[in-house]
Amino acid sequence: QKEVEQNSGPLSVPEGAIASLNCTYSDRGSQSFFWYRQYSGKSPELIMSIYSNGDKEDGRFTAQLNKASQYVSLLIRDSQPSDSATYLCAVYDTSGTYKYIFGTGTRLKVLA
Amino acid sequence: EAEVAQSPRYKITEKSQAVAFWCDPISGHATLYWYRQILGQGPELLVQFQDESVVDDSQLPKDRFSAERLKGVDSTLKIQPAELGDSAMYLCASSPKLTGGADGYTFGSGTRLTVV
Repeated sequence: QKEVEQNSGPLSVPEGAIASLNCTYSDRGSQSFFWYRQYSGKSPELIMSIYSNGDKEDGRFTAQLNKASQYVSLLIRDSQPSDSATYLCAVYDTSGTYKYIFGTGTRLKVLA
Repeated sequence: EAEVAQSPRYKITEKSQAVAFWCDPISGHATLYWYRQILGQGPELLVQFQDESVVDDSQLPKDRFSAERLKGVDSTLKIQPAELGDSAMYLCASSPKLTGGADGYTFGSGTRLTVV
């Protein structure tokens, strides 16, 4: 059973700080990784994708991938109260049918 | 920007009743996915279509759930009879092709089901 694990939180950070969200996955053959943001009562929204080891930056967001350690992270710089949401890590499973395997999500609270 | 349409947004139903959800994918998208997200958990794939054919329904509780995509365009997910444990958000997504999820895909707004 392929798994994606996240700490459920909540992770509380003060406004303006860096929020660090972490995710580990069990399938060493995974190649595509995604971060989704989900506000309460809303559907998930894709915010970052990463496919290669290293860092990928997009505005205030940086995704980091370490395939050897089977570890993905998301950094949010200059956190804002509007960033308060649940962040879902997803791994694209291509071993059978093509689908996402999601973690349970980490709830982030940015304190004003 | 093209969107995945879902209806209804909210549904409250009594235990043992039948309920149905509808999804209209982005125009031209061949692959359609239904996910279920129980509160506090991540989405889990229920069924995946390629055109009108089911590609994966291994996690669909087939004794009570059914899904169809008769003309390979819009899709309906049905639950009969509904149980309390079916309370969840039901999410639909689509991608241009079977492997299109490698670029990430967009979810519809979802249907929030409450079974009482």
